[in-house]
Amino acid sequence: QQKVQQSPESLIVPEGAMTSLNCTFSDSASQYFAWYRQHSGKAPKALMSIFSNGEKEEGRFTIHLNKASLHFSLHIRDSQPSDSALYLCAVSGGNYKPTFGKGTSLVVHP
Amino acid sequence: GPKVLQIPSHQIIDMGQMVTLNCDPVSNHLYFYWYKQILGQQMEFLVNFYNGKVMEKSKLFKDQFSVERPDGSYFTLKIQPTALEDSAVYFCASSPTGNTEVFFGKGTRLTVV
Repeated sequence: QQKVQQSPESLIVPEGAMTSLNCTFSDSASQYFAWYRQHSGKAPKALMSIFSNGEKEEGRFTIHLNKASLHFSLHIRDSQPSDSALYLCAVSGGNYKPTFGKGTSLVVHP
Repeated sequence: GPKVLQIPSHQIIDMGQMVTLNCDPVSNHLYFYWYKQILGQQMEFLVNFYNGKVMEKSKLFKDQFSVERPDGSYFTLKIQPTALEDSAVYFCASSPTGNTEVFFGKGTRLTVV
């Protein structure tokens, strides 16, 4: 049974800061790794995803995957108040069932 | 982008009654899911569905729960009878391949009183 854990549970950063969110998983055969963002009262929406080891950058967001360490992360450069949300990491593999972490609640204050 | 539609957005129901949550997944997607989320907390997997069949159910998917997608229409989650602990937001989601991005609906907030 896949276990997905996120850290920290919550984070408060000032506007302009670098934010780092972490996710660990238990199944080394996992194939797809993604970050979702959920604003209060809204549906989660995929932010970024990665399939293989390494980094991928899209604008202010960078996702980093290290399968050997069973760890991936999301880094937000120049954090903005609009980035404030619940961030969920998701991992899926051959069971076609994305498993989500409990989430990191991010608050970026002006 | 692709949209998953959920009806209704809110539902209040008396304990013991039946409720059906409806989902219109993205048209060319093959994998469908129901997730349960309480108070903005963890998105918990309930069930996935492919090719007209349930693939996997979690322990949260009680005997009172059932899913179906008759003739390619709405993908439904039925709870009969409902219990107080069923109060939550239920998200429907769909995916083209099952191992890529999952697209969520806006959720149905179910309150059992």
